[in-house]
Amino acid sequence: GENVEQHPSTLSVQEGDSAVIKCTYSDSASNYFPWYKQELGKRPQLIIDIRSNVGEKKDQRIAVTLNKTAKHFSLHITETQPEDSAVYFCAASWDSSYKLIFGSGTRLLVRP
Amino acid sequence: GAVVSQHPSWVICKSGTSVKIECRSLDFQATTMFWYRQFPKQSLMLMATSNEGSKATYEQGVEKDKFLINHASLTLSTLTVTSAHPEDSSFYICSARDTSGRGSAGNTIYFGEGSWLTVV
Repeated sequence: GENVEQHPSTLSVQEGDSAVIKCTYSDSASNYFPWYKQELGKRPQLIIDIRSNVGEKKDQRIAVTLNKTAKHFSLHITETQPEDSAVYFCAASWDSSYKLIFGSGTRLLVRP
Repeated sequence: GAVVSQHPSWVICKSGTSVKIECRSLDFQATTMFWYRQFPKQSLMLMATSNEGSKATYEQGVEKDKFLINHASLTLSTLTVTSAHPEDSSFYICSARDTSGRGSAGNTIYFGEGSWLTVV
């Protein structure tokens, strides 16, 4: 089955700096890669997603890149703000099932 | 946007009893729902796929007789934790798939608010 690895587990950056979180997946059949932000005790919130037919997608300060050959995808947050502090999860899925396999999570701390 | 509602938000039960958690899609029909478990400071682990009108598909290592899933209608799936023990204490969260095409991706997954289960 699919396995998703996520690094780093914790990330501390200064406000205004960029943050990068990386994930790798094992199943080449996976074709949908969402990123979620989760605050303590709350549901995950989709912040951006990418499909395998696209190499990069951007939404304001957030971007995701995908390298299908290497089975890597990354989340990039620019101009970080304290409210970006949360736990971020990557996930992988494929159309026939749409079940999400999550990475282990990254705790991001943005220092004011 | 589409809403998935989960109930109860939190529940405390005695060891050995059973607890039922409901997951409802409020404004769309969901033939498929998913149940996840999340221990503190850990990731979301998929437990099972709930299929309307048929048996749930459980992930490896998840006891189907302990975690009973029923998806009797297109808007409701239930997870029953039977004979609960303290180690079952966790955050249980469901998601539902909206295949109506309204979402940006065509097929969009929405999460419930989650249910905190504490077994004492």
